[in-house]
Amino acid sequence: AQSVTQPDIHITVSEGASLELRCNYSYGATPYLFWYVQSPGQGLQLLLKYFSGDTLVQGIKGFEAEFKRSQSSFNLRKPSVHWSDAAEYFCAVDNSGAGSYQLTFGKGTKLSVIP
Amino acid sequence: EPEVTQTPSHQVTQMGQEVILRCVPISNHLYFYWYRQILGQKVEFLVSFYNNEISEKSEIFDDQFSVERPDGSNFTLKIRSTKLEDSAMYFCASSVGETSVVETQYFGPGTRLLVL
Repeated sequence: AQSVTQPDIHITVSEGASLELRCNYSYGATPYLFWYVQSPGQGLQLLLKYFSGDTLVQGIKGFEAEFKRSQSSFNLRKPSVHWSDAAEYFCAVDNSGAGSYQLTFGKGTKLSVIP
Repeated sequence: EPEVTQTPSHQVTQMGQEVILRCVPISNHLYFYWYRQILGQKVEFLVSFYNNEISEKSEIFDDQFSVERPDGSNFTLKIRSTKLEDSAMYFCASSVGETSVVETQYFGPGTRLLVL
Protein backbone atom coordinates (compact mmCIF):
# COMPACT_ATOMS: atom_id res chain seq x y z
CA ALA A 1 0.00 0.00 0.00
CA GLN A 2 1.15 3.52 -0.70
CA SER A 3 2.45 5.53 2.24
CA VAL A 4 4.15 8.81 3.01
CA THR A 5 6.59 9.32 5.85
CA GLN A 6 7.59 12.65 7.29
CA PRO A 7 10.21 11.69 9.87
CA ASP A 8 10.35 15.05 11.64
CA ILE A 9 7.34 15.89 13.76
CA HIS A 10 8.58 19.31 14.82
CA ILE A 11 11.43 21.49 13.53
CA THR A 12 12.60 24.82 14.91
CA VAL A 13 14.77 27.16 12.85
CA SER A 14 15.93 30.72 13.22
CA GLU A 15 14.59 33.35 10.89
CA GLY A 16 16.89 33.68 7.91
CA ALA A 17 18.22 30.14 8.23
CA SER A 18 17.76 27.53 5.54
CA LEU A 19 15.15 24.83 5.83
CA GLU A 20 14.73 21.29 4.61
CA LEU A 21 11.67 19.20 5.44
CA ARG A 22 11.92 15.53 4.66
CA CYS A 23 9.38 13.37 2.89
CA ASN A 24 9.73 9.75 1.85
CA TYR A 25 7.13 7.82 -0.05
CA SER A 26 6.37 4.23 -0.78
CA TYR A 27 4.54 3.84 -4.04
CA GLY A 28 4.71 1.25 -6.78
CA ALA A 29 3.83 3.36 -9.80
CA THR A 30 5.05 6.77 -10.93
CA PRO A 31 4.41 9.04 -7.96
CA TYR A 32 2.67 12.37 -8.23
CA LEU A 33 3.77 14.35 -5.21
CA PHE A 34 2.52 17.43 -3.43
CA TRP A 35 3.45 19.67 -0.54
CA TYR A 36 0.70 21.50 1.31
CA VAL A 37 1.00 24.04 4.11
CA GLN A 38 -1.50 24.63 6.90
CA SER A 39 -1.23 27.86 8.84
CA PRO A 40 -3.06 28.06 12.18
CA GLY A 41 -6.80 28.28 11.57
CA GLN A 42 -6.36 27.94 7.84
CA GLY A 43 -6.98 25.22 5.30
CA LEU A 44 -4.41 23.27 3.31
CA GLN A 45 -2.70 25.48 0.78
CA LEU A 46 -0.85 23.93 -2.15
CA LEU A 47 2.84 24.88 -2.14
CA LEU A 48 4.06 22.86 -5.10
CA LYS A 49 3.62 19.64 -7.00
CA TYR A 50 5.66 17.18 -9.03
CA PHE A 51 4.11 15.27 -11.89
CA SER A 52 6.97 14.61 -14.31
CA GLY A 53 9.94 16.26 -15.99
CA ASP A 54 12.43 18.40 -14.12
CA THR A 55 13.01 16.86 -10.71
CA LEU A 56 13.48 20.25 -9.03
CA VAL A 57 10.17 22.04 -8.79
CA GLN A 58 9.52 25.58 -7.69
CA GLY A 59 6.53 26.59 -5.64
CA ILE A 60 4.99 29.58 -4.01
CA LYS A 61 6.51 31.59 -1.16
CA GLY A 62 10.08 30.77 -2.27
CA PHE A 63 9.81 27.02 -1.63
CA GLU A 64 11.25 24.31 -3.83
CA ALA A 65 11.33 20.54 -3.69
CA GLU A 66 13.47 17.91 -5.31
CA PHE A 67 12.20 14.53 -6.42
CA LYS A 68 14.76 11.76 -6.03
CA ARG A 69 13.46 8.46 -7.29
CA SER A 70 16.51 6.52 -6.09
CA GLN A 71 15.85 7.69 -2.52
CA SER A 72 12.05 7.71 -2.75
CA SER A 73 12.17 11.24 -1.43
CA PHE A 74 10.57 14.58 -2.14
CA ASN A 75 12.17 17.00 0.31
CA LEU A 76 10.97 20.57 0.66
CA ARG A 77 13.53 23.37 0.92
CA LYS A 78 13.71 27.07 1.41
CA PRO A 79 17.01 29.01 1.47
CA SER A 80 15.92 31.64 4.00
CA VAL A 81 12.99 31.16 6.33
CA HIS A 82 10.66 34.00 7.29
CA TRP A 83 8.67 34.18 10.52
CA SER A 84 5.48 33.87 8.48
CA ASP A 85 6.56 30.39 7.36
CA ALA A 86 5.70 29.01 10.79
CA ALA A 87 3.02 26.44 10.01
CA GLU A 88 2.47 22.73 9.54
CA TYR A 89 3.67 21.16 6.30
CA PHE A 90 2.20 18.07 4.72
CA CYS A 91 3.63 15.89 2.00
CA ALA A 92 1.15 13.87 -0.05
CA VAL A 93 1.13 11.37 -2.90
CA ASP A 94 -1.60 11.08 -5.47
CA ASN A 95 -2.75 7.59 -6.29
CA SER A 96 -3.99 8.29 -9.81
CA GLY A 97 -1.32 6.00 -11.21
CA ALA A 98 -3.26 3.24 -9.52
CA GLY A 99 -6.60 4.54 -10.78
CA SER A 100 -7.49 6.50 -7.66
CA TYR A 101 -7.60 10.24 -7.10
CA GLN A 102 -7.33 10.13 -3.35
CA LEU A 103 -4.32 11.73 -1.73
CA THR A 104 -2.30 9.89 0.87
CA PHE A 105 -0.78 12.30 3.38
CA GLY A 106 2.13 12.16 5.74
CA LYS A 107 1.64 13.05 9.40
CA GLY A 108 2.98 16.53 8.89
CA THR A 109 5.95 18.52 10.17
CA LYS A 110 5.31 21.50 12.38
CA LEU A 111 7.73 24.34 11.71
CA SER A 112 8.51 26.91 14.39
CA VAL A 113 10.56 29.99 13.53
CA ILE A 114 12.64 31.84 16.12
CA PRO A 115 12.86 35.58 15.45
CA GLU B 1 -8.45 33.86 -6.69
CA PRO B 2 -11.25 31.30 -6.46
CA GLU B 3 -11.25 29.17 -3.35
CA VAL B 4 -13.13 26.39 -1.63
CA THR B 5 -15.28 27.56 1.26
CA GLN B 6 -16.71 25.56 4.14
CA THR B 7 -19.37 26.21 6.75
CA PRO B 8 -19.54 26.18 9.66
CA SER B 9 -15.96 26.69 10.78
CA HIS B 10 -16.75 24.98 14.09
CA GLN B 11 -19.56 22.67 15.10
CA VAL B 12 -20.29 21.16 18.51
CA THR B 13 -22.86 18.40 18.70
CA GLN B 14 -24.11 15.73 21.06
CA MET B 15 -23.35 12.09 20.40
CA GLY B 16 -26.09 10.50 18.31
CA GLN B 17 -27.09 13.73 16.60
CA GLU B 18 -26.95 14.30 12.86
CA VAL B 19 -24.63 16.93 11.43
CA ILE B 20 -24.31 18.36 7.95
CA LEU B 21 -21.06 19.95 6.88
CA ARG B 22 -21.25 22.24 3.90
CA CYS B 23 -18.77 23.07 1.20
CA VAL B 24 -18.81 25.29 -1.86
CA PRO B 25 -16.21 23.97 -4.31
CA ILE B 26 -14.45 26.13 -6.88
CA SER B 27 -17.08 26.94 -9.48
CA ASN B 28 -15.70 25.22 -12.58
CA HIS B 29 -14.49 22.13 -10.73
CA LEU B 30 -16.20 18.81 -11.23
CA TYR B 31 -14.45 16.49 -8.76
CA PHE B 32 -15.14 16.87 -5.05
CA TYR B 33 -13.61 15.25 -1.99
CA TRP B 34 -13.94 15.00 1.77
CA TYR B 35 -11.01 14.31 4.05
CA ARG B 36 -10.73 14.33 7.81
CA GLN B 37 -7.95 14.89 10.30
CA ILE B 38 -8.33 13.58 13.82
CA LEU B 39 -6.28 15.67 16.22
CA GLY B 40 -2.64 14.66 16.06
CA GLN B 41 -3.16 12.22 13.20
CA LYS B 42 -2.83 12.19 9.43
CA VAL B 43 -5.22 13.77 7.00
CA GLU B 44 -7.30 10.82 5.75
CA PHE B 45 -9.36 10.44 2.60
CA LEU B 46 -13.06 9.80 3.09
CA VAL B 47 -14.79 10.03 -0.27
CA SER B 48 -14.65 11.46 -3.77
CA PHE B 49 -17.61 12.51 -5.88
CA TYR B 50 -17.88 13.00 -9.62
CA ASN B 51 -20.76 13.30 -12.03
CA ASN B 52 -23.31 13.20 -9.20
CA GLU B 53 -22.16 9.97 -7.71
CA ILE B 54 -19.55 8.61 -5.36
CA SER B 55 -16.40 7.83 -7.30
CA GLU B 56 -14.43 6.28 -4.48
CA LYS B 57 -14.70 5.87 -0.72
CA SER B 58 -12.46 4.69 2.06
CA GLU B 59 -13.27 2.15 4.74
CA ILE B 60 -13.87 5.04 7.11
CA PHE B 61 -16.83 6.14 4.99
CA ASP B 62 -19.39 3.71 6.37
CA ASP B 63 -23.18 3.80 6.32
CA GLN B 64 -23.39 6.67 8.78
CA PHE B 65 -21.80 8.98 6.21
CA SER B 66 -23.38 10.32 3.06
CA VAL B 67 -22.57 13.02 0.53
CA GLU B 68 -24.79 15.07 -1.68
CA ARG B 69 -24.68 17.86 -4.20
CA PRO B 70 -28.09 19.37 -3.50
CA ASP B 71 -27.74 22.21 -5.99
CA GLY B 72 -25.25 23.61 -8.46
CA SER B 73 -22.89 25.03 -5.88
CA ASN B 74 -22.98 23.13 -2.59
CA PHE B 75 -21.44 19.80 -1.65
CA THR B 76 -22.40 18.36 1.71
CA LEU B 77 -21.21 15.66 4.08
CA LYS B 78 -23.82 14.24 6.42
CA ILE B 79 -23.03 12.20 9.49
CA ARG B 80 -26.26 10.54 10.59
CA SER B 81 -25.54 9.55 14.17
CA THR B 82 -22.34 11.08 15.41
CA LYS B 83 -19.93 9.22 17.64
CA LEU B 84 -17.23 10.56 19.89
CA GLU B 85 -14.59 9.31 17.46
CA ASP B 86 -16.05 11.46 14.68
CA SER B 87 -14.51 14.50 16.37
CA ALA B 88 -12.04 15.82 13.81
CA MET B 89 -11.29 18.55 11.33
CA TYR B 90 -13.15 17.85 8.09
CA PHE B 91 -11.71 19.24 4.87
CA CYS B 92 -13.50 19.61 1.59
CA ALA B 93 -11.48 19.75 -1.63
CA SER B 94 -12.20 20.11 -5.30
CA SER B 95 -10.34 19.58 -8.56
CA VAL B 96 -10.95 20.36 -12.19
CA GLY B 97 -12.11 16.88 -13.13
CA GLU B 98 -10.15 16.35 -16.32
CA THR B 99 -9.85 12.71 -15.49
CA SER B 100 -7.25 11.97 -18.10
CA VAL B 101 -4.58 13.83 -16.14
CA VAL B 102 -3.41 14.04 -12.54
CA GLU B 103 -5.75 16.15 -10.50
CA THR B 104 -4.59 18.99 -8.28
CA GLN B 105 -6.87 19.24 -5.28
CA TYR B 106 -7.65 22.58 -3.68
CA PHE B 107 -8.72 22.49 -0.07
CA GLY B 108 -11.09 24.54 2.02
CA PRO B 109 -10.32 25.88 5.51
CA GLY B 110 -12.01 22.97 7.26
CA THR B 111 -14.82 22.46 9.74
CA ARG B 112 -13.79 21.47 13.22
CA LEU B 113 -16.38 19.03 14.58
CA LEU B 114 -16.54 18.24 18.26
CA VAL B 115 -18.84 15.45 19.43
CA LEU B 116 -19.66 15.46 23.14
